[in-house]
Amino acid sequence: GQNIDQPTEMTATEGAIVQINCTYQTSGFNGLFWYQQHAGEAPTFLSYNVLDGLEEKGRFSSFLSRSKGYSYLLLKELQMKDSASYLCAVRDTTGGSYIPTFGRGTSLIVHP
Amino acid sequence: DSGVTQTPKHLITATGQRVTLRCSPRSGDLSVYWYQQSLDQGLQFLIHYYNGEERAKGNILERFSAQQFPDLHSELNLSSLELGDSALYFCASSVHGTEGEKLFFGSGTQLSVL
Repeated sequence: GQNIDQPTEMTATEGAIVQINCTYQTSGFNGLFWYQQHAGEAPTFLSYNVLDGLEEKGRFSSFLSRSKGYSYLLLKELQMKDSASYLCAVRDTTGGSYIPTFGRGTSLIVHP
Repeated sequence: DSGVTQTPKHLITATGQRVTLRCSPRSGDLSVYWYQQSLDQGLQFLIHYYNGEERAKGNILERFSAQQFPDLHSELNLSSLELGDSALYFCASSVHGTEGEKLFFGSGTQLSVL
């Protein structure tokens, strides 16, 4: 199994940049995902990292360091609609099936 | 729209009852995952099926069971319901590609046990 830690809540200002950190411990790492979940809705895929480094996708970027068990999601030019929960998920080998395990999520509040 | 269909959207029932949640994966996806999401526990993995076979179990109670049928839809059965089973239940299907095996989630079933 694994432990996944991320801050419970963060606040930021519209137009700013925010970094959401995720640390994990796992025995069979096979990729890290970030998902966005608006209140009452389903999680939606944002990014995927399996090798060390930065993956950029528009206003969102995600970084991974496998040796440190660390990832972050960087959101630039924040918009009000970015207010949501951001879930870090680690894919691990469990009995031959690669199961994504989720952290508890970071609730991001963007204010004007 | 993720392409994953879950029914019903809402379910209200009493303690001790049994309910069935249904999930149809995206066309062509062979994997179905079930997750439970409650305020205090976050998104918890329950069970994974691939092409009709159970592949992995997570923190799924013995009162809960699931199956995946030949047409690939899946059902999650919850019995002897307790107040603590009230939660949002998601199913997801997956596709493996350049972005790993990313999950596509259904809109969820909100279960309220009274």
